[in-house]
Amino acid sequence: EVQLVQSGAEMKKPGESLKISCQASGYSFTNYWIGWVRQMPGKGLEWMALIFLGDSDTRYSPSFQGQVTISADKSITTAFLQWSSLRASDTAMYYCASQERRGRPFDFWGQGTMVTVSS
Amino acid sequence: DIQMTQSPSSLSASVGDRVTITCRASQGINSYLAWYQQKPGKVPKLLISAASTLQSGVPSRFSGSGSGTDFTLTISSLQPEDVATYYCQKYNSAPWTFGQGTKVEIK
Repeated sequence: EVQLVQSGAEMKKPGESLKISCQASGYSFTNYWIGWVRQMPGKGLEWMALIFLGDSDTRYSPSFQGQVTISADKSITTAFLQWSSLRASDTAMYYCASQERRGRPFDFWGQGTMVTVSS
Repeated sequence: DIQMTQSPSSLSASVGDRVTITCRASQGINSYLAWYQQKPGKVPKLLISAASTLQSGVPSRFSGSGSGTDFTLTISSLQPEDVATYYCQKYNSAPWTFGQGTKVEIK
């Protein structure tokens, strides 16, 4: 069974750092892209970035370039999304998602990680 | 970067109605267009890939069409379980931009 399992909800203060994870299982995710999608409360889906687990090649949305960092550990088929200094405006649900094979959109989705940033 | 514009942003229709949602790309994307359904409080679900390929298990009342810059998602007979927000997404090259979403409600 194909699964993307994300780390649990986080409550942080402004200025704190954070790294959330997305572990893939069920097939060879190292050959495909894993992406991150933000959904702010009551708002739409925003594509943030992609990472290729096989070689950690990355692509960022201009809106998120420099604001977050994506990384991956191929040995544990896990992708990460991290912030060095959180802001209240980072409060959102974050989804990871992956494609079933090259050239496809997001076939599989994680359950989401809620990040709340509040003083 | 290519922008994706959906319309309408919301609609209300009766059970059994035919519903059409459009998605326009600011530049051509061939058929690299996906449609997702997100029910309230749930994870998005892929409905259609390659502009018109229905995913396994998706009811046949859903269909997609278009190529280049103009795309359409159609629900041929709206059902109560179709209440959701629908998003288009381009995936020919990064960024894989989403449309802003269309909220579908029952009248």
